Amino acid sequence: KAGVTQTPRYLIKTRGQQVTLSCSPISGHRSVSWYQQTPGQGLQFLFEYFSETQRNKGNFPGRFSGRQFSNSRSEMNVSTLELGDSALYLCASSLRPNEKLFFGSGTQLSVL
Amino acid sequence: DAKTTQPNSMESNEEEPVHLPCNHSTISGTDYIHWYRQLPSQGPEYVIHGLTSNVNNRMASLAIAEDRKSSTLILHRATLRDAAVYYCILRRRQGGSEKLVFGKGTKLTVNP
Repeated sequence: KAGVTQTPRYLIKTRGQQVTLSCSPISGHRSVSWYQQTPGQGLQFLFEYFSETQRNKGNFPGRFSGRQFSNSRSEMNVSTLELGDSALYLCASSLRPNEKLFFGSGTQLSVL
Repeated sequence: DAKTTQPNSMESNEEEPVHLPCNHSTISGTDYIHWYRQLPSQGPEYVIHGLTSNVNNRMASLAIAEDRKSSTLILHRATLRDAAVYYCILRRRQGGSEKLVFGKGTKLTVNP
């Protein structure tokens, strides 16, 4: 069974641009959550989706948004990029909410 | 938000047991204690979780204090492949859904 797939693996953007990251969960998993990882702040929860509905959201500005499609695939979008948005963005899937998480390898975003 | 406290780093020798501590003094009655680990250039992977009783699986053991304010992840025989950052996490239910709060993690170095 394939694991969680995140694309792209690396991304370079400039300030003010927007970016869309993609996550394909493990087949059969319906819950997807997103995390931001930086050296200073560590791993921080962004949001969680289940059955195309956002169930929970972390303490991030409205520039960070996401969605989940009917096939459980998820995307997150960051608009008006800032230098501080440079981070590793991780996606995790689980069969249902509150169950064991399976993480992807992440998308490394660099904002110049 | 529930917080966990872990030592920044620990060192062990190969084939020796490793005890990774975690303090979670603000844990509530329905919080589960989860451990994940993150190898270099990878997303975190699930290790073990528990509520009140000690737990064992093929990867590790989890010892939970009687008052649940601390726990210890035990690797019975450390290998070089166990070198990773270990995260102690409380899975808290808020408003019917859940928001994961990660600690800073413990970087485990395993010496040959």
